[in-house]
Amino acid sequence: EVQLVESGGDLVQPGRPLRLSCVASGFSFGDYGMHWVRQAPGKGLEWVSTISWNSGTVDYADSVKGRFTISRDNARNSLYLHMNNLREEDTALYYCVRDRGFRGTALVADFWGQGSLVTVSS
Amino acid sequence: DIVMTQSPDSLAVSLGERATINCKSSQSVLDSSNSKNNLTWYQQKPGQPPKLLIHWATTRESGVPDRFSGSGSGTDFTLTISSLQAEDVAIYYCQQYYSSPWTFGQGTKVEIK
Repeated sequence: EVQLVESGGDLVQPGRPLRLSCVASGFSFGDYGMHWVRQAPGKGLEWVSTISWNSGTVDYADSVKGRFTISRDNARNSLYLHMNNLREEDTALYYCVRDRGFRGTALVADFWGQGSLVTVSS
Repeated sequence: DIVMTQSPDSLAVSLGERATINCKSSQSVLDSSNSKNNLTWYQQKPGQPPKLLIHWATTRESGVPDRFSGSGSGTDFTLTISSLQAEDVAIYYCQQYYSSPWTFGQGTKVEIK
């Protein structure tokens, strides 16, 4: 059974950093592209970042480019999102998502974690 | 960026009746290399993460009931629930994967009339 478990969400002040983690199980993690997708409270879905199976390709939404860094450790079946200079508008539930395509990076999200809540407020 | 616009924002349908959700992209998402439309539909129930229903605009994921169907091509797409069930109450999102940034529609809330 595919499982994605996020952690690291917290209440932080604007300008502070935070790191989210996602541990994957039930599939060959190193063979799949992964993504972060967020959802602000009561709002819709917003793609945040993508990393290819071998970390050779990374991509970011303009809203987070230069502040967020996606990374992965295939030996630990883990995905990360390093978030710097957080803003109030980054407040959201952050989902770790598997790409449906084998070694794909175009967002077709076939498995989602339960999400990790990041609240940015002074 | 490709803008995805869904209509309506919400709809209320009687049990057993048809529900139709539209999704329009600001530019074509048809991949000419394989003649497939790079469009997905997701279902999100309250308190749950989204669930992938359809990709390539028309291909149902394994386990998705056949009352859900996707249609359309180019810039205009439709998700149809042929006979609404109580468990279909949710918000539905379309999303394009033709070009980055990957973008979602604003969502359509489906309720029981």
